[in-house]
Amino acid sequence: AAGVIQSPRHLIKEKRETATLKCYPIPRHDTVYWYQQGPGQDPQFLISFYEKMQSDKGSIPDRFSAQQFSDYHSELNMSSLELGDSALYFCASSHSDFQETQYFGPGTRLLVL
Amino acid sequence: AQSVTQPDIHITVSEGASLELRCNYSYGATPYLFWYVQSPGQGLQLLLKYFSGDTLVQGIKGFEAEFKRSQSSFNLRKPSVHWSDAAEYFCAVGVGANDYKLSFGAGTTVTVRA
Repeated sequence: AAGVIQSPRHLIKEKRETATLKCYPIPRHDTVYWYQQGPGQDPQFLISFYEKMQSDKGSIPDRFSAQQFSDYHSELNMSSLELGDSALYFCASSHSDFQETQYFGPGTRLLVL
Repeated sequence: AQSVTQPDIHITVSEGASLELRCNYSYGATPYLFWYVQSPGQGLQLLLKYFSGDTLVQGIKGFEAEFKRSQSSFNLRKPSVHWSDAAEYFCAVGVGANDYKLSFGAGTTVTVRA
């Protein structure tokens, strides 16, 4: 079965650079969630989208923005990167009829030097 | 706000022995409850979920979990552990009106010894 696709899988950036993470949900899933998992931490909710509209917002820094496109893929844009942004970024998707169940992608590991 | 507590940071179990991971939640109503497993450097895989109905739910890989409303608990169990079960296990709560963002516990790392 098709799963959530995230790209890139690994990313190395310098401080103050920008990064764009992409997420392709499972086909026919219309809801996307972004989570951040710092080293040794549990995943923390950042932001979610339903039908291309932001549906909820968590502890996402103002330096980050995200959107969901017409094909339901989503991008997380991160600017003025800081060392503390180094983390594993997960995307999850769900279908609105079964929104309670999220399926996670493999994650993008971001390292900020 | 909802919260999830996993009291055990690390558990070591012998291969073939039983395993139980504890999870307690704090929420005004019955939330949606999940267990996810994460192998090193990997994503989160859904093991099982509870929404309503039968309080004993079966999941993948031989895992099961029991919801106990009186104890606000959702403990995960496996009768006989395999070496491949070594991983980190996260209990999560999903609540929301328009979406179901997950709130995770701190995780329990399971080590399996031969």
